[in-house]
Amino acid sequence: EDKVVQSPLSLVVHEGDTVTLNCSYEVTNFRSLLWYKQEKKAPTFLFMLTSSGIEKKSGRLSSILDKKELSSILNITATQTGDSAIYLCAMAIQGAQKLVFGQGTRLTINP
Amino acid sequence: SAVISQKPSRDICQRGTSLTIQCQVDSQVTMMFWYRQQPGQSLTLIATANQGSEATYESGFVIDKFPISRPNLTFSTLTVSNMSPEDSSIYLCSAHTGGDTQYFGPGTRLTVL
Repeated sequence: EDKVVQSPLSLVVHEGDTVTLNCSYEVTNFRSLLWYKQEKKAPTFLFMLTSSGIEKKSGRLSSILDKKELSSILNITATQTGDSAIYLCAMAIQGAQKLVFGQGTRLTINP
Repeated sequence: SAVISQKPSRDICQRGTSLTIQCQVDSQVTMMFWYRQQPGQSLTLIATANQGSEATYESGFVIDKFPISRPNLTFSTLTVSNMSPEDSSIYLCSAHTGGDTQYFGPGTRLTVL
């Protein structure tokens, strides 16, 4: 069964800290890995990763995929209270249009 | 990208009634998706809605409980039928315009009393 596992499930840090969120997957036919940020209801798209070792970056957020280790990390540097959210990792599989989501990491940034 | 709207944004319903959620996309898309997010949980796919054909339901979800319509390439509805408190969740629709990236609507928060 295709599976996405995120860790930690919950993380509390102080403003200014750097955080690393983890996502590992077990799939039969991997196609891509996606990261989303969910603040209230709607997940908003952050990154899509298809190739190993190529970092995607947007401001203070960056992400990289390791196909050998079947994992990805999402880094946030110089965190701000506005980064508080649930971060979701999802996987797209060859031959299917649907996404399989992990449990999410609830990140809380304290001032 | 795609801009997706949903109606209603929230509702409180009585047990045994039904609620229809509408999802509108600002561009034509082949596939739309309906997800459920129960309190404290991640997103679970209910079904994929294809225009011109029956929706494809995931294991554990059935058409009688969650009938879906897809009358055209920009619109879909999900009905939650014969509701019970266990149906209290956020319901999200999404679409992709090409590739794997799915864009999500703002969600419908449903509370069943």
